[in-house]
Amino acid sequence: DAGVIQSPRHEVTEMGQEVTLRCKPISGHNSLFWYRQTMMRGLELLIYFNNNVPIDDSGMPEDRFSAKMPNASFSTLKIQPSEPRDSAVYFCASSPGRLAEAFFGQGTRLTVV
Amino acid sequence: GIQVEQSPPDLILQEGANSTLRCNFSDSVNNLQWFHQNPWGQLINLFYIPSGTKQNGRLSATTVATERYSLLYISSSQTTDSGVYVCSVEGYNQGGKLIFGQGTELSVKP
Repeated sequence: DAGVIQSPRHEVTEMGQEVTLRCKPISGHNSLFWYRQTMMRGLELLIYFNNNVPIDDSGMPEDRFSAKMPNASFSTLKIQPSEPRDSAVYFCASSPGRLAEAFFGQGTRLTVV
Repeated sequence: GIQVEQSPPDLILQEGANSTLRCNFSDSVNNLQWFHQNPWGQLINLFYIPSGTKQNGRLSATTVATERYSLLYISSSQTTDSGVYVCSVEGYNQGGKLIFGQGTELSVKP
């Protein structure tokens, strides 16, 4: 298996623009997670899905952030409009379900200028 | 919510030395994982260890769930071991949500 695949690897955008991050989980994994990593706050869970359904989105910072999982093999995290404070590395992870090992993608480094 | 504390926050070793990293958590957990975040930012799975002891080469880990801690041992350290070691836990009734510690930043000098 190729592992969790994220795209793009790097994204530089101007403040106010829409940004879409993409994730393909490991085939057969039922749980998908979006995390954000910053120097100040470390790794924070934004949202997670189980069987394509959002279970907990309490970590989503504000209404500018939205996430979807239209099918078992694809998820998006959208920021609209983007702001400089959104600059961070965004990770996607997947696992077979509860009480199971999670695997992370390589992350997307987002810079908003 | 559950709190995860790692110690020490940073560590400098001479190549060949051994080290022990600690992860304390504030409540009972279903799941505990150790990751190595390399200098390129990738999170590499080291151990999935909700309880007991596991070994993988020069690395081993022990989780004592009843006492709410886990230890990661690195023996005969190499420069390639440098990076951040992160502990993550899933609390009971958390539905698979992993909570991360702030990590231990390890630097191994030649």
